[in-house]
Amino acid sequence: QVQLQQWGAGLLKPSETLSLTCGVYGGSFSGYYWNWIRQSPGKGLEWIGDINNSGSTNYNPSLKSRVTISVDTSKNQFSLKLRSVTAADTAVYYCAKPNTMTSTYYYMDVWGKGTTVTVSS
Amino acid sequence: DIVMTQSPDSLAVSLGERATINCRSSQTVLYSSNKKNYLAWYQQKPGQPPKLLISWASTRESGVPDRFSGSGSGTDFTLTISSLQAEDVAVYYCQQHYGTPLTFGGGTKVEIK
Repeated sequence: QVQLQQWGAGLLKPSETLSLTCGVYGGSFSGYYWNWIRQSPGKGLEWIGDINNSGSTNYNPSLKSRVTISVDTSKNQFSLKLRSVTAADTAVYYCAKPNTMTSTYYYMDVWGKGTTVTVSS
Repeated sequence: DIVMTQSPDSLAVSLGERATINCRSSQTVLYSSNKKNYLAWYQQKPGQPPKLLISWASTRESGVPDRFSGSGSGTDFTLTISSLQAEDVAVYYCQQHYGTPLTFGGGTKVEIK
């Protein structure tokens, strides 16, 4: 059974860059589109984007201008960077695995535990 | 974007009674070629990530109690808990995976009356 372990800085100042990493353990890494999702009181669950092992990405248009998702296949890890953060980016950030390799339209069947990110001056 | 609207925002149900949660999508999530509804339901308890309960609108995941059931097609969907147990207190979310960006409903909080 795949497990996802995530880590990164939890307290940022406005204008800084959020940086999180998710490690994939116990299952296949290749072939899936690995996801970042965030959850804030104001906007609920929001899909940020995904990446596959070849580095192909899809981003939510609402965040696309500030987001970069990258992959390190040698470590079975993928990362999220969100630039120029504001208080509105305060949320719990999750990494998640999709149910299928065969589509870019999927639901999530495994989630990381979440990282609380607070943006405050 | 496909907008997912859940109702009610919260509900309180007596132990052993039925809980019904609704989810409506702003456009169909029924894929005509395979007749599948691209709709999933999740349960989230405090301090935990969402847990997948139901996929394809009505397929229960392995290990999910059979008191949970999903129904509906096209744009209107329902999650039913047939006999509410104390451990079912949680927030429930629907998610469409018919189009990008993937989108979620706003959640329905289920409590014990």
